[in-house]
Amino acid sequence: TQLLEQSPQFLSIQEGENLTVYCNSSSVFSSLQWYRQEPGEGPVLLVTVVTGGEVKKLKRLTFQFGDARKDSSLHITAAQPGDTGLYLCAGATSGSRLTFGEGTQLTVNP
Amino acid sequence: GAGVSQSPRYKVAKRGQDVALRCDPISGHVSLFWYQQALGQGPEFLTYFQNEAQLDKSGLPSDRFFAERPEGSVSTLKIQRTQQEDSAVYLCASSLTGLGYEQYFGPGTRLTVT
Repeated sequence: TQLLEQSPQFLSIQEGENLTVYCNSSSVFSSLQWYRQEPGEGPVLLVTVVTGGEVKKLKRLTFQFGDARKDSSLHITAAQPGDTGLYLCAGATSGSRLTFGEGTQLTVNP
Repeated sequence: GAGVSQSPRYKVAKRGQDVALRCDPISGHVSLFWYQQALGQGPEFLTYFQNEAQLDKSGLPSDRFFAERPEGSVSTLKIQRTQQEDSAVYLCASSLTGLGYEQYFGPGTRLTVT
């Protein structure tokens, strides 16, 4: 069974602070995706990273895929209350199924 | 265009009842996935279709769970003789290609078994 471990599990910060969420595994993934989920809704895809060492930026969000394609990080700069939500990483292997981490519940306080 | 839709959004069932959960994927999407999400956890894979073919059902927790996609579009997840441990949010996702890397999720069906 391939496992993805996310840390921290919970994060509560003030508006304007920076934060990093980590996603780690002992398995190699062909791609890794980050999703954000709000209460009562399904996960919404933020980004897909495919190449080891790849860095992608989406406004204040920076995503990095580890060189060995076993880990990833999500960095948010100057967090805003609208960033509040459950952040999920998910890894894809040679098949089509995604393996999700347990998620990081982020709360940004105004 | 319309996203993935699921119905019902909420379902309360008495233990032992059968339930059927429906998923309408994005039009033209080849792949369709079902996931189960417990409160505060990440989704867990249940099963995967490519068109009408069920290619992977290894995540179905028991033989009480059954999924179908007879015409390669709409899919139904059926749970027979529901148990309390079946209470969860059931998410459906679709993907344009068979690779399934970028999956688009519906809002989910929250099932509560009493």
